[in-house]
Amino acid sequence: DGGITQSPKYLFRKEGQNVTLSCEQNLNHDAMYWYRQDPGQGLRLIYYSQIVNDFQKGDIAEGYSVSREKKESFPLTVTSAQKNPTAFYLCASSWGVRQPQHFGDGTRLSIL
Amino acid sequence: SQQGEEDPQALSIQEGENATMNCSYKTSINNLQWYRQNSGRGLVHLILIRSNEREKHSGRLRVTLDTSKKSSSLLITASRAADTASYFCATDSSILTGGGNKLTFGTGTQLKVEL
Repeated sequence: DGGITQSPKYLFRKEGQNVTLSCEQNLNHDAMYWYRQDPGQGLRLIYYSQIVNDFQKGDIAEGYSVSREKKESFPLTVTSAQKNPTAFYLCASSWGVRQPQHFGDGTRLSIL
Repeated sequence: SQQGEEDPQALSIQEGENATMNCSYKTSINNLQWYRQNSGRGLVHLILIRSNEREKHSGRLRVTLDTSKKSSSLLITASRAADTASYFCATDSSILTGGGNKLTFGTGTQLKVEL
């Protein structure tokens, strides 16, 4: 079945530690996105990528980094510079402009 | 602030009743999309309505769009307990640098359908 796989489902970060969230898709979509969701709020765009080896900052990129070395993969690193990383992180992909986005089941990140 | 704002924030109804959720937005849009999110899961796309459309149906879902009032509504008819979820509207109003679409999500309506 085609879809987006995010791992792990739960992740814990210690102070000063970088952690990487995985996102893999087999939908052959060009565009991929990372969102952050806080309780009672909508989704906010962190980073997006329209093509391999290219990505752009979204609305809240500070403290995060990404890479897009393969079409299928778009990992997100939450760095120690992100002072409030506790949130639900969602990865999405789409065919391109004006198309609906398909989402993974998210990774919940907490601070130890 | 969020482009889309859903109303009400929470809605509780009995199975078999209809559920109506509203979304207001601030800037002109290319399309408006509705998504559903079950607790602890990702979002699932329900329906997309373009700015030149006024109404769209998909199964038990009916979406309307009034661009003059910058508002949309989602109607779920004959609701079921399985419809219990959060529902988000998302406005597509700009193209991101390098292509792709930017969706701006509202804060969602939490729907609870009771047996």
